[in-house]
Amino acid sequence: EVQLVESGGGLVQPGGSLRLSCAASGFTFSSYSMNWVRQAPGKGLEWVSYISSSSSTIYYADSVKGRFTISRDNAKNSLYLQMNSLRAEDTAVYYCARDFPYEGLLFDYWGQGTLVTVSS
Amino acid sequence: EIVMTQSPATLSVSPGERATLSCRASQSVSSNLAWYQQKPGQAPRLLIYGASTRATGIPARFSGSGSGTEFTLTISSLQSEDFAVYYCQQYNNWPLTFGQGTKVEIK
Repeated sequence: EVQLVESGGGLVQPGGSLRLSCAASGFTFSSYSMNWVRQAPGKGLEWVSYISSSSSTIYYADSVKGRFTISRDNAKNSLYLQMNSLRAEDTAVYYCARDFPYEGLLFDYWGQGTLVTVSS
Repeated sequence: EIVMTQSPATLSVSPGERATLSCRASQSVSSNLAWYQQKPGQAPRLLIYGASTRATGIPARFSGSGSGTEFTLTISSLQSEDFAVYYCQQYNNWPLTFGQGTKVEIK
C-alpha cells in the first residue's frame, strides 16, 4: 500500500524557517518524481514544487522561488521542503504528492498533509 | 501562467441527479487535464486524467470530456459520498495550476 506521511509543520514567526519531511513507503520511491502542493485554510490547491526521481530536474512556483528548496533522499525514501523567509501567506496545509507514472505532472497519491502556520 | 476557471462555484444537486462541472483554461492545455475530488479534512483524490480517463478504482458514474480550453466533469447519478469539492488541474505547462474548485452540495 502506498503511504506518504508528512511531518515538520507547526507555528513559525514571519521570516522564520521550517523543514518539512515526507516519508514514503509501499512503492519504489527512487523511481518516481514527487511534488509539494499546499492549501491555505478554506482555499483551493496550489502546486509548490516538483523534483524528478534523480533530483536532476526541479521546478518551483513563482510564489516560493528563492525561498523554498525541495530535495529528496532516495536511500531514506524521503522528500523534503526547506522553507525560509516564511510569510503569512505561506500558511497552509502542505501535502506531498506522488507524480502519476503514466502521464506525469499530476498526482495519484497524496499524504494527509502537515499544517504550517506563519504568525507572530 | 495558465489560469484555470471552474464553474459554478457551488452546485446544489439532489442525490440521484446528474451533476455537470465545468473547467476552462486561459489557453489550450490539449488533453492534459486532471480532476480531483476532496472531502473535508481529507487529501484530494485523483478521479480523471488525460481529460477523460478514469483513474484506478473510480466508479463509472464519473466521466470527463473536453480538450483544448473547455472541459467537463459529469457525475451521472450523485451518491451521498460524491458530495465534495472538485478541482481541475492542467499539466500541459509549468507552473502546474488548479482551478479554484466547485463545491457539490446536497440540494
